[in-house]
Amino acid sequence: DTGVSQDPRHKITKRGQNVTFRCDPISEHNRLYWYRQTLGQGPEFLTYFQNEAQLEKSRLLSDRFSAERPKGSFSTLEIQRTEQGDSAMYLCASSLFSGSYNEQFFGPGTRLTVL
Amino acid sequence: AQSVTQLDSQVPVFEEAPVELRCNYSSSVSVYLFWYVQYPNQGLQLLLKYLSGSTLVKGINGFEAEFNKSQTSFHLRKPSVHISDTAEYFCAVREFGNEKLTFGTGTRLTIIP
Repeated sequence: DTGVSQDPRHKITKRGQNVTFRCDPISEHNRLYWYRQTLGQGPEFLTYFQNEAQLEKSRLLSDRFSAERPKGSFSTLEIQRTEQGDSAMYLCASSLFSGSYNEQFFGPGTRLTVL
Repeated sequence: AQSVTQLDSQVPVFEEAPVELRCNYSSSVSVYLFWYVQYPNQGLQLLLKYLSGSTLVKGINGFEAEFNKSQTSFHLRKPSVHISDTAEYFCAVREFGNEKLTFGTGTRLTIIP
């Protein structure tokens, strides 16, 4: 059983460019989460999905950010017109929700550097 | 709204000495509590969690934590640290019925040989 995977692991881009990250959850996990971790800080919640439905979005998720999970399996996080403040580690997690406590398993993250 | 405070940003400890990493939380409802470890350029690994029941929880790598409801604390302890414990440690809280994990700012544990 493979864990949560994220691609790419590292991305360097120039300010103003668009970037897209991919997250593949653990097989059969119906919930998928995105967090952002800036240097020296703990991760901050961005959004989560149950299957293909986006159920919650943080105010941190500005209009330049969009997340999708079109078929209820993998998810993508796109950042348009990147800014230097977007430089961070973007973490994905997944869980199997069945009505009670569900544990979130984290992937290795995608580190974004905006020049 | 829930919040987590980790007062110690850095903790240096001699190898084989005991360590305690402090965590305090704030929430108006019942919560789950967690400690995660993060090694350089890696994701988060769950060390231990408190869901309910016994207030002393044991985790991986010899770590344990104690939930203290009256003091709203969840301090992490290890009786004897090793070089391999050098990492960043994050305390996190999650309110019942809420999917969002709220993390503290982390404590960097440095083991001195």
